[in-house]
Amino acid sequence: NAGVTQTPKFQVLKTGQSMTLQCAQDMNHEYMSWYRQDPGMGLRLIHYSVGAGITDQGEVPNGYNVSRSTTEDFPLRLLSAAPSQTSVYFCASSAGQAIQPQHFGDGTRLSIL
Amino acid sequence: ILNVEQSPQSLHVQEGDSTNFTCSFPSSNFYALHWYRWETAKSPEALFVMTLNGDEKKKGRISATLNTKEGYSYLYIKGSQPEDSATYLCAFRGNTPLVFGKGTRLSVIA
Repeated sequence: NAGVTQTPKFQVLKTGQSMTLQCAQDMNHEYMSWYRQDPGMGLRLIHYSVGAGITDQGEVPNGYNVSRSTTEDFPLRLLSAAPSQTSVYFCASSAGQAIQPQHFGDGTRLSIL
Repeated sequence: ILNVEQSPQSLHVQEGDSTNFTCSFPSSNFYALHWYRWETAKSPEALFVMTLNGDEKKKGRISATLNTKEGYSYLYIKGSQPEDSATYLCAFRGNTPLVFGKGTRLSVIA
């Protein structure tokens, strides 16, 4: 029972490079979201999805793109990496938006040089 | 942007002490209040999801209360143990997606 799987666990990029952070869940959850965690800032929502084919912006969406072609997968794309995007990224899923608990992946630590 | 405040930011307690911390959130448009436990080098794990004013939830030595009218929730840990050392996050769900507080970092000294 894998839960929420994020890959890679670590990544170093150069400014201007693009990459995709992968997130997959095997719990048939409709709701998925991406957060970034920065020192002193707590978890901030980047993008979220309430089901396949539906995505929406969170608090800090600029510089990131998402798609939800299947229930299982919710990749996060950095279009042109900037040092300000150095962070730890968490993907989460839940059976519903409000009263079901979120299940988090192990995180991706991303450094942009 | 909604404001979800947690206090204190950090605390150190001796093994065996009981402790509590606070989560403050908007008192309007309330759907749910979540509590998560986040150990270093791991990912957050759900403790409780609370929806009703006056709710009390308990899991082992950890319990939580909810006051939606005044916009606060307390998390209590009875007889703290070193394995309770973690950051405790609350998250408010109103009519926008979950908004997390910055957490209370608990260190339990043996």
